[in-house]
Amino acid sequence: DAGVTQSPTHLIKTRGQHVTLRCSPISGHKSVSWYQQVLGQGPQFIFQYYEKEERGRGNFPDRFSARQFPNYSSELNVNALLLGDSALYLCASSLGRGESPLHFGNGTRLTVT
Amino acid sequence: TQLLEQSPQFLSIQEGENLTVYCNSSSVFSSLQWYRQEPGEGPVLLVTVVTGGEVKKLKRLTFQFGDARKDSSLHITAAQTGDTGLYLCAGTNYGGATNKLIFGTGTLLAVQP
Repeated sequence: DAGVTQSPTHLIKTRGQHVTLRCSPISGHKSVSWYQQVLGQGPQFIFQYYEKEERGRGNFPDRFSARQFPNYSSELNVNALLLGDSALYLCASSLGRGESPLHFGNGTRLTVT
Repeated sequence: TQLLEQSPQFLSIQEGENLTVYCNSSSVFSSLQWYRQEPGEGPVLLVTVVTGGEVKKLKRLTFQFGDARKDSSLHITAAQTGDTGLYLCAGTNYGGATNKLIFGTGTLLAVQP
């Protein structure tokens, strides 16, 4: 079975632009979570979606938004990009029930210049 | 705010040596997970510990959850070059609608041949 797939793998944007990152979960997984990992640090929680509804939001500004589609894939949108948004954006999927483990994709490396 | 501090931040050792990585918090967690992340990839789950005082072994890796469920350690015996990577601990509190992970600051391990 395919793992969590994310696209694109790398992206370069300019300050002020917006970006859309995409994630396809493992087949059968209904929950998708997004994390931001700045170089040299551990990932930070941005959003969790389960059955197309937002279940949790981390401490990120309103420039960050996400959604989950009927096929459980997800998009993360970031508006008005800042230099500090440069990071590895990780998507993780899970069955979404209780203590089901997270499976991470390889991320999208976003560079804002 | 729940925080997880890992020590050391960086560790460079020779093949065959033993090492211990620590993960500490002032907060209690329902469970704690350990991940390994290699360059260009997402974190991969190594183990989940749930019960205070629990010890789990995965080949040469030994994981322990503190009695008070606030800290954890990872011990590697006879390190190999393939153990090189970023080790992340992550805590979670189940019971709510969100299964977000709170990641530690990370320990970058380099095992030299």
